[in-house]
Amino acid sequence: DAGVTQSPTHLIKTRGQQVTLRCSPKSGHDTVSWYQQALGQGPQFIFQYYEEEERQRGNFPDRFSGHQFPNYSSELNVNALLLGDSALYLCASSPMGTGGYYEQYFGPGTRLTVT
Amino acid sequence: AQTVTQSQPEMSVQEAETVTLSCTYDTSESDYYLFWYKQPPSRQMILVIRQEAYKQQNATENRFSVNFQKAAKSFSLKISDSQLGDAAMYFCAYASGTYKYIFGTGTRLKVLA
Repeated sequence: DAGVTQSPTHLIKTRGQQVTLRCSPKSGHDTVSWYQQALGQGPQFIFQYYEEEERQRGNFPDRFSGHQFPNYSSELNVNALLLGDSALYLCASSPMGTGGYYEQYFGPGTRLTVT
Repeated sequence: AQTVTQSQPEMSVQEAETVTLSCTYDTSESDYYLFWYKQPPSRQMILVIRQEAYKQQNATENRFSVNFQKAAKSFSLKISDSQLGDAAMYFCAYASGTYKYIFGTGTRLKVLA
């Protein structure tokens, strides 16, 4: 059973460029969340997608956008990159169901470096 | 807004000894979940243990156990019989019906041979 996968593993971009990161959820999961983890910090919630819609968003600017596809995979797009966007980007998936909580499983992350 | 605080940036423990990592949180909600995640140098976040707030019994998973004090909003992780493979960053996290996780800043655990 494949877990959460992310691509690419590493990425180097220049300020002002745009980047797309990809995530495939764990089998049987239909909800995807994205987190940004700056060096030496805990992950910060960016947004969550369910049924191809953004369900919840953290305190991130509109330069951060996402998409979820019918197969539940997801993309994170960041426009007009800033040096401060350099971080590890983590994707987490969870199963939808009844009730208020679902355990999240994390992928290995994409390390983005902005120069 | 909910917050999670880990006041120990780094901890060390001798192999086979016991260590406790601290975590406090703040919330006005009554129903929520708490977690400890391990993040080794490979970067993969691995769930160590979870605790449902409505359960009074402390969660245990093999060598890992928690001390959950709901009134004090404290959630510490005890690692018994520490092993070299336990060396990693440990993050405390909170989740409620909003679905997102709120993480602390982490504690780096070093295991000394």
